[in-house]
Amino acid sequence: DTEVTQTPKHLVMGMTNKKSLKCEQHMGHRAMYWYKQKAKKPPELMFVYSYEKLSINESVPSRFSPECPNSSLLNLHLHALQPEDSALYLCASSQGWVGETQYFGPGTRLLVL
Amino acid sequence: AQTVTQSQPEMSVQEAETVTLSCTYDTSESDYYLFWYKQPPSRQMILVIRQEAYKQQNATENRFSVNFQKAAKSFSLKISDSQLGDAAMYFCAYRSAEGYGGSQGNLIFGKGTKLSVKP
Repeated sequence: DTEVTQTPKHLVMGMTNKKSLKCEQHMGHRAMYWYKQKAKKPPELMFVYSYEKLSINESVPSRFSPECPNSSLLNLHLHALQPEDSALYLCASSQGWVGETQYFGPGTRLLVL
Repeated sequence: AQTVTQSQPEMSVQEAETVTLSCTYDTSESDYYLFWYKQPPSRQMILVIRQEAYKQQNATENRFSVNFQKAAKSFSLKISDSQLGDAAMYFCAYRSAEGYGGSQGNLIFGKGTKLSVKP
């Protein structure tokens, strides 16, 4: 089973709203990732959690706040977003960090008005 | 720093025919992994195939196979008997197998090749 689930599938929010994206995996993977993907572009890495600790923050604005409550769950809290933050947000997980295959979720399509 | 280049922004193939997508990469490392991911319009990024650099044998998965040329730093994907469901964006990606994490372990993507399949 290589399933990563993400909710919601679609999200529309205003610039003053607070919302959260959720990602879950039950494969026993110890590394989890958030990516942002614009249309016709490859995914861009935002955050990496390894063993529930934030390992990498790729200079992401503070209006994006990740959280890893446990080894199976990853959240991305959104606050005061800008229209240019509209994108597909992908979650991924892998068994370990270096070299391991990443398995992706179906993504959340976010529109900021 | 490692880079991945996909020189074909778009490709087209007739149903049941064979198509090859190109990918080259640049690295000074000797131990790494290479991947092909498929992203259909439904948008989920799906692993197609994975190749370990230390393995000389080319990876295969059903109709998908790779031609891995380590010295040339080339990693092309061949799709045989193309089907309508193969239409998607294909991303080639590199990941280091060395070190202890940090940004060295990031998955590095090419810009992608959009594959169309004609009935």
